[in-house]
Amino acid sequence: GQQVMQIPQYQHVQEGEDFTTYCNSSTTLSNIQWYKQRPGGHPVFLIQLVKSGEVKKQKRLTFQFGEAKKNSSLHITATQTTDVGTYFCAGRDSWGKFQFGAGTQVVVTP
Amino acid sequence: DGGITQSPKYLFRKEGQNVTLSCEQNLNHDAMYWYRQDPGQGLRLIYYSQIVNDFQKGDIAEGYSVSREKKESFPLTVTSAQKNPTAFYLCASSIAGNSYEQYFGPGTRLTVT
Repeated sequence: GQQVMQIPQYQHVQEGEDFTTYCNSSTTLSNIQWYKQRPGGHPVFLIQLVKSGEVKKQKRLTFQFGEAKKNSSLHITATQTTDVGTYFCAGRDSWGKFQFGAGTQVVVTP
Repeated sequence: DGGITQSPKYLFRKEGQNVTLSCEQNLNHDAMYWYRQDPGQGLRLIYYSQIVNDFQKGDIAEGYSVSREKKESFPLTVTSAQKNPTAFYLCASSIAGNSYEQYFGPGTRLTVT
């Protein structure tokens, strides 16, 4: 069955540095969504990617969908303490099955 | 103020008891979902419903039951058959279809001892 894997599981970042988290699917995806969950909170939708090779930006966040539509990445530049939280990708396969990855927990040190 | 509400925020139960978690939305969404979140495992789908009076099992439905009698409400019952019920439970809703984001409630943390 479909599997969505995220790496790394944990990311410790110095404030001001850049980092990237990756999402890989065992099957081709029709779309992929990214969510952020602050500590003690609930997931909040960030963005959806649909097209092969698509790149979308939200201020310091850059999201990319791979050409084969089996992987995606989230790159954050100049990390701030407000970026703390767990970032989840969620991929939907061609049958409509939607699966979340295990998330990347981001810790920012000042 | 539109959104999804879950109650209670914290719930404690003795082993062997059934417990029902509430989820209500006023976003006029057709689709609703229940997820379980355990540390390091992300969100796993328990049940989902695309329309009133219809619902489907997700990946980990065993030991759980749901009903969808009203568009706004999608309660989840954790039965005594669920072997490891202690977890953080999240309810979500969305516009029906494959291309819409999910809106999550604040969650209910269930502890069974």
